[in-house]
Amino acid sequence: LAKTTQPISMDSYEGQEVNITCSHNNIATNDYITWYQQFPSQGPRFIIQGYKTKVTNEVASLFIPADRKSSTLSLPRVSLSDTAVYYCLVDDWGDKIIFGKGTRLHILP
Amino acid sequence: GAVVSQHPSWVICKSGTSVKIECRSLDFQATTMFWYRQFPKQSLMLMATSNEGSKATYEQGVEKDKFLINHASLTLSTLTVTSAHPEDSSFYICSARTDRGQKPQIKNTEAFFGQGTRLTVV
Repeated sequence: LAKTTQPISMDSYEGQEVNITCSHNNIATNDYITWYQQFPSQGPRFIIQGYKTKVTNEVASLFIPADRKSSTLSLPRVSLSDTAVYYCLVDDWGDKIIFGKGTRLHILP
Repeated sequence: GAVVSQHPSWVICKSGTSVKIECRSLDFQATTMFWYRQFPKQSLMLMATSNEGSKATYEQGVEKDKFLINHASLTLSTLTVTSAHPEDSSFYICSARTDRGQKPQIKNTEAFFGQGTRLTVV
């Protein structure tokens, strides 16, 4: 399983764009990159998933360079309610889903 | 999106008793379910993986006789914490995944998570 590395924590202000980068140097050909959001005392919630290039949905964008050794989750115009822990996972639909340490994002007013 | 329901949301039990936590996939068949525990300010730690109709695969260091997992149907998995002790107090989270072909609108490897169960052993 490819290991992921993310910043432990980040601070930003309301209305700003936030970019969280995840490193996954050992990503395999069959791996997809998935980001989850977790609020305190709740289960993780799916944000976005991609394999290569750029993916955008109603809440975020995911940028994946050609070598796929990293990915960047972009949250446009964050609000206080975006304060949460964000996890980057690489997964090939294998037999395990392993979480890294995640990034604790704190949005300030 | 797909829904995974976990019950109860919280439970308080006496030391030495057993507690059962249920995880249900409400609108899809979960061929694989995962159980995690999470301590405050820490990440989710995988405890075990279960496939319907077969024995669960436990991660290293997780006592299979203490954390009993049953995945008897494609929509239900249960985790029973036996002879619970205060150090078992934690946040337990289940996750369910289906086969790729079953629900085409689900992203390729997306897993769905329950809302978690806060277990407090006193």
